[in-house]
Amino acid sequence: AAGVIQSPRHLIKEKRETATLKCYPIPRHDTVYWYQQGPGQDPQFLISFYEKMQSDKGSIPDRFSAQQFSDYHSELNMSSLELGDSALYFCASVSGRALGGELFFGEGSRLTVL
Amino acid sequence: QKEVEQNSGPLSVPEGAIASLNCTYSDRGSQSFFWYRQYSGKSPELIMSIYSNGDKEDGRFTAQLNKASQYVSLLIRDSQPSDSATYLCAVNGDDKIIFGKGTRLHILP
Repeated sequence: AAGVIQSPRHLIKEKRETATLKCYPIPRHDTVYWYQQGPGQDPQFLISFYEKMQSDKGSIPDRFSAQQFSDYHSELNMSSLELGDSALYFCASVSGRALGGELFFGEGSRLTVL
Repeated sequence: QKEVEQNSGPLSVPEGAIASLNCTYSDRGSQSFFWYRQYSGKSPELIMSIYSNGDKEDGRFTAQLNKASQYVSLLIRDSQPSDSATYLCAVNGDDKIIFGKGTRLHILP
């Protein structure tokens, strides 16, 4: 069965550079969530999209932006990268805004900022 | 601030014994509760979901929910070394899933 696809799986950037992470949800899933997980930390909710519109916003820095496209894939754009942005970034998808639904996670994109 | 609390552990359990993981949550309006297992460097994997008070069993796993006490737990019977992982409690509130910090479980061979 198709799963959530994230790319790239690994990314190395310098401070102040820009990075873009992509997420392709499970087919027919219309909701995407982005989480950031630092070393030894729990996943922190960043932002979510339902039907291509932002549905909720968590602890996402102003340097980050995201959107969901017409094919339901989502991109997380991170600018002016800082060392503290080094983390695993997970995308998860669900059908119908996760009201009672279970999130299906991608394998994550590991960002390292040097 | 809606919160999900878990003991970070590590919780060490002998192989073959029962592992008991606990979680409390602050939002009394929460309706959906999940347990995810996460191996180091990997993505969380859903292992149990529970929506109503009582017990729900799936193989070696049993989830228990008590909404009055705002408490949800996970029991793992006949613990195996492959169960060694971090277990994340997650609660659905306001259209987003809020995670606890996770409990590290270590099964002793």
